[in-house]
Amino acid sequence: DTEVTQTPKHLVMGMTNKKSLKCEQHMGHRAMYWYKQKAKKPPELMFVYSYEKLSINESVPSRFSPECPNSSLLNLHLHALQPEDSALYLCASSQAVGMDYGYTFGSGTRLTVV
Amino acid sequence: QKEVEQNSGPLSVPEGAIASLNCTYSDRGSQSFFWYRQYSGKSPELIMSIYSNGDKEDGRFTAQLNKASQYVSLLIRDSQPSDSATYLCAPSNTGFQKLVFGTGTRLLVSP
Repeated sequence: DTEVTQTPKHLVMGMTNKKSLKCEQHMGHRAMYWYKQKAKKPPELMFVYSYEKLSINESVPSRFSPECPNSSLLNLHLHALQPEDSALYLCASSQAVGMDYGYTFGSGTRLTVV
Repeated sequence: QKEVEQNSGPLSVPEGAIASLNCTYSDRGSQSFFWYRQYSGKSPELIMSIYSNGDKEDGRFTAQLNKASQYVSLLIRDSQPSDSATYLCAPSNTGFQKLVFGTGTRLLVSP
Protein backbone atom coordinates (compact mmCIF):
# COMPACT_ATOMS: atom_id res chain seq x y z
CA ASP A 1 0.00 0.00 0.00
CA THR A 2 1.68 3.19 -1.19
CA GLU A 3 -1.16 5.59 -0.65
CA VAL A 4 -2.18 8.33 1.71
CA THR A 5 -5.95 8.37 2.04
CA GLN A 6 -7.81 11.52 3.00
CA THR A 7 -11.48 11.83 3.88
CA PRO A 8 -13.74 13.51 3.11
CA LYS A 9 -12.78 14.71 -0.38
CA HIS A 10 -15.07 17.72 -0.11
CA LEU A 11 -16.46 19.48 2.95
CA VAL A 12 -18.73 22.49 3.30
CA MET A 13 -19.10 23.83 6.82
CA GLY A 14 -20.58 26.84 8.54
CA MET A 15 -18.53 29.14 10.73
CA THR A 16 -20.07 27.68 13.90
CA ASN A 17 -19.61 24.03 12.94
CA LYS A 18 -17.09 21.53 14.25
CA LYS A 19 -15.72 19.06 11.75
CA SER A 20 -12.69 16.81 11.35
CA LEU A 21 -10.45 15.85 8.46
CA LYS A 22 -8.94 12.38 8.45
CA CYS A 23 -5.70 11.07 6.95
CA GLU A 24 -4.48 7.49 6.92
CA GLN A 25 -1.35 5.74 5.64
CA HIS A 26 -0.17 2.15 5.90
CA MET A 27 3.35 2.55 4.55
CA GLY A 28 4.99 2.43 7.98
CA HIS A 29 5.89 6.11 7.71
CA ARG A 30 6.64 7.77 11.05
CA ALA A 31 6.25 11.40 9.93
CA MET A 32 2.97 12.97 8.90
CA TYR A 33 2.15 16.48 7.79
CA TRP A 34 -0.75 18.86 7.24
CA TYR A 35 -0.45 21.44 4.47
CA LYS A 36 -2.91 24.12 3.39
CA GLN A 37 -3.07 25.23 -0.23
CA LYS A 38 -4.99 28.21 -1.56
CA ALA A 39 -5.74 28.56 -5.26
CA LYS A 40 -2.68 29.31 -7.41
CA LYS A 41 -0.43 29.25 -4.33
CA PRO A 42 2.08 26.65 -3.13
CA PRO A 43 1.30 24.32 -0.24
CA GLU A 44 1.96 25.92 3.14
CA LEU A 45 3.06 23.75 6.04
CA MET A 46 0.76 23.75 9.07
CA PHE A 47 1.87 20.88 11.33
CA VAL A 48 4.48 18.13 11.47
CA TYR A 49 4.09 14.97 13.53
CA SER A 50 7.11 12.79 14.18
CA TYR A 51 6.57 9.43 15.89
CA GLU A 52 3.07 10.56 16.84
CA LYS A 53 4.31 13.68 18.59
CA LEU A 54 3.79 17.22 17.33
CA SER A 55 7.19 18.53 16.29
CA ILE A 56 6.34 21.64 14.28
CA ASN A 57 3.39 24.02 14.52
CA GLU A 58 3.80 26.83 12.00
CA SER A 59 1.92 29.36 14.16
CA VAL A 60 -1.42 27.99 13.04
CA PRO A 61 -4.55 29.53 14.68
CA SER A 62 -6.05 27.45 17.48
CA ARG A 63 -9.25 26.90 15.48
CA PHE A 64 -7.17 24.18 13.76
CA SER A 65 -6.34 21.35 16.16
CA PRO A 66 -4.25 18.40 14.97
CA GLU A 67 -4.28 14.95 16.51
CA CYS A 68 -2.24 11.83 15.85
CA PRO A 69 -3.98 8.89 17.56
CA ASN A 70 -1.50 6.31 16.20
CA SER A 71 1.29 5.96 13.68
CA SER A 72 -1.11 5.45 10.76
CA LEU A 73 -3.70 8.10 11.44
CA LEU A 74 -3.70 11.89 11.48
CA ASN A 75 -6.71 14.09 12.14
CA LEU A 76 -7.29 17.81 11.81
CA HIS A 77 -10.13 19.11 13.97
CA LEU A 78 -11.81 22.28 12.75
CA HIS A 79 -13.84 24.71 14.86
CA ALA A 80 -15.14 28.23 14.31
CA LEU A 81 -13.42 28.61 10.96
CA GLN A 82 -13.54 31.72 8.82
CA PRO A 83 -14.37 31.95 5.10
CA GLU A 84 -10.69 32.72 4.41
CA ASP A 85 -9.86 29.23 5.72
CA SER A 86 -11.44 27.77 2.60
CA ALA A 87 -8.66 25.87 0.82
CA LEU A 88 -7.35 22.48 -0.19
CA TYR A 89 -6.02 20.68 2.89
CA LEU A 90 -3.30 18.20 2.08
CA CYS A 91 -1.97 15.42 4.26
CA ALA A 92 1.44 13.93 3.53
CA SER A 93 3.69 11.31 5.03
CA SER A 94 7.38 10.41 4.86
CA GLN A 95 9.57 7.69 6.33
CA ALA A 96 10.72 9.94 9.14
CA VAL A 97 11.61 13.55 9.86
CA GLY A 98 15.28 14.11 9.22
CA MET A 99 15.53 11.49 6.49
CA ASP A 100 16.19 12.43 2.90
CA TYR A 101 13.00 11.20 1.33
CA GLY A 102 10.23 13.13 -0.32
CA TYR A 103 6.69 13.22 0.87
CA THR A 104 3.74 11.21 -0.39
CA PHE A 105 0.62 13.37 -0.55
CA GLY A 106 -2.98 12.37 -0.19
CA SER A 107 -5.55 13.62 -2.69
CA GLY A 108 -6.65 16.36 -0.32
CA THR A 109 -9.85 17.66 1.23
CA ARG A 110 -11.37 20.69 -0.46
CA LEU A 111 -12.87 22.75 2.35
CA THR A 112 -15.40 25.52 1.88
CA VAL A 113 -16.39 27.64 4.88
CA VAL A 114 -19.68 29.49 4.48
CA GLN B 1 14.07 37.42 -0.37
CA LYS B 2 11.71 34.47 -0.67
CA GLU B 3 12.95 31.13 0.63
CA VAL B 4 12.35 29.39 -2.70
CA GLU B 5 11.90 31.30 -5.95
CA GLN B 6 10.50 30.07 -9.22
CA ASN B 7 9.27 31.88 -12.30
CA SER B 8 5.48 31.56 -12.14
CA GLY B 9 5.14 31.33 -15.93
CA PRO B 10 3.30 30.18 -17.82
CA LEU B 11 6.17 28.58 -19.69
CA SER B 12 4.86 27.64 -23.12
CA VAL B 13 6.68 25.04 -25.22
CA PRO B 14 5.63 23.08 -28.30
CA GLU B 15 5.20 19.33 -28.15
CA GLY B 16 8.52 17.53 -28.49
CA ALA B 17 10.60 20.45 -27.22
CA ILE B 18 12.71 20.64 -24.04
CA ALA B 19 11.11 22.47 -21.12
CA SER B 20 13.53 24.04 -18.63
CA LEU B 21 12.28 24.92 -15.17
CA ASN B 22 14.45 26.81 -12.70
CA CYS B 23 14.51 27.30 -8.94
CA THR B 24 16.71 29.20 -6.50
CA TYR B 25 16.70 28.76 -2.74
CA SER B 26 18.03 30.75 0.19
CA ASP B 27 18.71 28.11 2.89
CA ARG B 28 22.39 27.14 2.49
CA GLY B 29 21.75 24.18 4.79
CA SER B 30 19.37 22.54 2.33
CA GLN B 31 20.65 19.10 1.37
CA SER B 32 17.72 17.45 -0.39
CA PHE B 33 15.74 18.78 -3.31
CA PHE B 34 12.51 17.59 -4.78
CA TRP B 35 10.39 18.38 -7.80
CA TYR B 36 6.65 17.86 -7.61
CA ARG B 37 4.12 17.98 -10.42
CA GLN B 38 0.64 19.25 -9.64
CA TYR B 39 -2.23 19.06 -12.08
CA SER B 40 -5.02 21.58 -11.62
CA GLY B 41 -7.27 20.58 -8.72
CA LYS B 42 -5.05 17.61 -7.79
CA SER B 43 -2.44 17.00 -5.11
CA PRO B 44 1.34 17.25 -5.69
CA GLU B 45 3.09 14.18 -7.08
CA LEU B 46 6.81 13.55 -6.52
CA ILE B 47 8.65 13.21 -9.83
CA MET B 48 12.33 13.77 -9.05
CA SER B 49 14.71 14.01 -6.12
CA ILE B 50 18.35 15.11 -6.12
CA TYR B 51 20.89 15.30 -3.31
CA SER B 52 24.31 15.81 -4.93
CA ASN B 53 25.70 18.45 -7.25
CA GLY B 54 25.39 17.56 -10.90
CA ASP B 55 22.73 15.91 -13.01
CA LYS B 56 20.30 13.11 -12.28
CA GLU B 57 18.29 11.56 -15.09
CA ASP B 58 15.08 9.55 -14.88
CA GLY B 59 13.38 8.87 -18.18
CA ARG B 60 12.48 12.17 -19.85
CA PHE B 61 13.31 14.13 -16.69
CA THR B 62 16.72 15.49 -15.67
CA ALA B 63 17.29 17.33 -12.42
CA GLN B 64 20.35 19.56 -12.05
CA LEU B 65 21.76 20.84 -8.76
CA ASN B 66 24.39 23.48 -8.01
CA LYS B 67 24.62 24.00 -4.26
CA ALA B 68 27.28 26.72 -4.54
CA SER B 69 24.87 28.80 -6.65
CA GLN B 70 21.85 27.60 -4.65
CA TYR B 71 20.19 26.62 -7.87
CA VAL B 72 18.21 23.59 -8.95
CA SER B 73 16.55 22.95 -12.28
CA LEU B 74 14.33 20.41 -14.01
CA LEU B 75 14.56 19.59 -17.71
CA ILE B 76 11.75 17.77 -19.45
CA ARG B 77 12.75 16.31 -22.80
CA ASP B 78 10.27 15.49 -25.57
CA SER B 79 7.56 17.47 -23.78
CA GLN B 80 4.03 16.12 -24.12
CA PRO B 81 0.68 17.89 -23.66
CA SER B 82 0.17 15.63 -20.64
CA ASP B 83 3.16 17.37 -19.02
CA SER B 84 1.09 20.55 -18.78
CA ALA B 85 0.91 21.19 -15.05
CA THR B 86 2.45 23.30 -12.29
CA TYR B 87 5.91 22.18 -11.22
CA LEU B 88 6.84 22.83 -7.60
CA CYS B 89 10.43 23.00 -6.40
CA ALA B 90 10.82 21.87 -2.78
CA PRO B 91 14.15 21.97 -0.97
CA SER B 92 14.36 20.59 2.51
CA ASN B 93 15.31 23.02 5.25
CA THR B 94 18.42 22.58 7.35
CA GLY B 95 18.11 19.30 9.21
CA PHE B 96 15.40 18.17 6.83
CA GLN B 97 12.64 18.99 9.27
CA LYS B 98 10.31 20.08 6.51
CA LEU B 99 9.95 20.81 2.81
CA VAL B 100 9.52 24.41 1.72
CA PHE B 101 7.67 24.78 -1.56
CA GLY B 102 8.35 27.36 -4.21
CA THR B 103 5.47 29.19 -5.86
CA GLY B 104 5.61 26.81 -8.80
CA THR B 105 6.03 27.23 -12.55
CA ARG B 106 3.05 26.59 -14.77
CA LEU B 107 4.06 24.66 -17.88
CA LEU B 108 1.90 24.59 -21.01
CA VAL B 109 2.80 22.14 -23.76
CA SER B 110 0.95 22.80 -26.99
CA PRO B 111 0.27 20.01 -29.55
